[in-house]
Amino acid sequence: KQEVTQIPAALSVPEGENLVLNCSFTDSAIYNLQWFRQDPGKGLTSLLLIQSSQREQTSGRLNASLDKSSGRSTLYIAASQPGDSATYLCAVRMDSSYKLIFGSGTRLLVRP
Amino acid sequence: DTGVSQDPRHKITKRGQNVTFRCDPISEHNRLYWYRQTLGQGPEFLTYFQNEAQLEKSRLLSDRFSAERPKGSFSTLEIQRTEQGDSAMYLCASSLGGTGAAVDYFGQGTRLTVV
Repeated sequence: KQEVTQIPAALSVPEGENLVLNCSFTDSAIYNLQWFRQDPGKGLTSLLLIQSSQREQTSGRLNASLDKSSGRSTLYIAASQPGDSATYLCAVRMDSSYKLIFGSGTRLLVRP
Repeated sequence: DTGVSQDPRHKITKRGQNVTFRCDPISEHNRLYWYRQTLGQGPEFLTYFQNEAQLEKSRLLSDRFSAERPKGSFSTLEIQRTEQGDSAMYLCASSLGGTGAAVDYFGQGTRLTVV
C-alpha cells in the first residue's frame, strides 16, 4: 500500500530565505507526482507535475525534483515571500490506479 | 472557463439527514474525482469517474455514500443518514485524461458540518 510522508509538518522562515520541502513515498511504481498549494479553507492548486520519466520541473521560483528509485521528491522555493504562506501537499498517482494519494502536507509561514 | 465549481460551499445538517453536493468540472475534462479532507490531513480519495462510468471507489465509501455523473458532465455526491464523522471538506477535481502530464484541477470544496 502506497504511503506518502511529508517533512516537516510545519515550517516558519523569514522572508527571502530559500527553502526545501520534502516528500517521500514507499512504492516507486508511480505514474506521476504533483505538488499542490492549499490556502486555508480553499481548494488545491497544482504547482508542478513531474512525470515518472522526468527528474525535475521548474516554474518561476519553484523547482521540484523526483528520485523514483529512492522514493523521494523535493520542492524548492527560492527567495520566499509572505504570499507563499500556505500548506503544500505532495500527491502521487500510481501506474495501477487513477486516484491521487496525498501526504499530510507542510504548513509554511513566511514572516515579513 | 471558470474552473471546477462546487455547490454549496458550506452545508450544516442535522445527524441523520441526507445531503447532496454538486460538482461541475471543467467542460472538456473526462475524468472527475471526489475526495474528502479533514483538518490537518491531506485529501483522501473517495471515487473516480471516466465520462459517466464510475471506475474506482474507495473502501472508505460506505453504503451511505453514492455518487453519479449522468451523461459524463456534472457529478453529485449524496450522503444518506449523515453522522458526525462525516463532517469534513468534500473536494471535487477534474482532469483531461490520456497522458501523464494531465494536471488535476480542484474546486473550492463543500464544507459539511453535521450537528
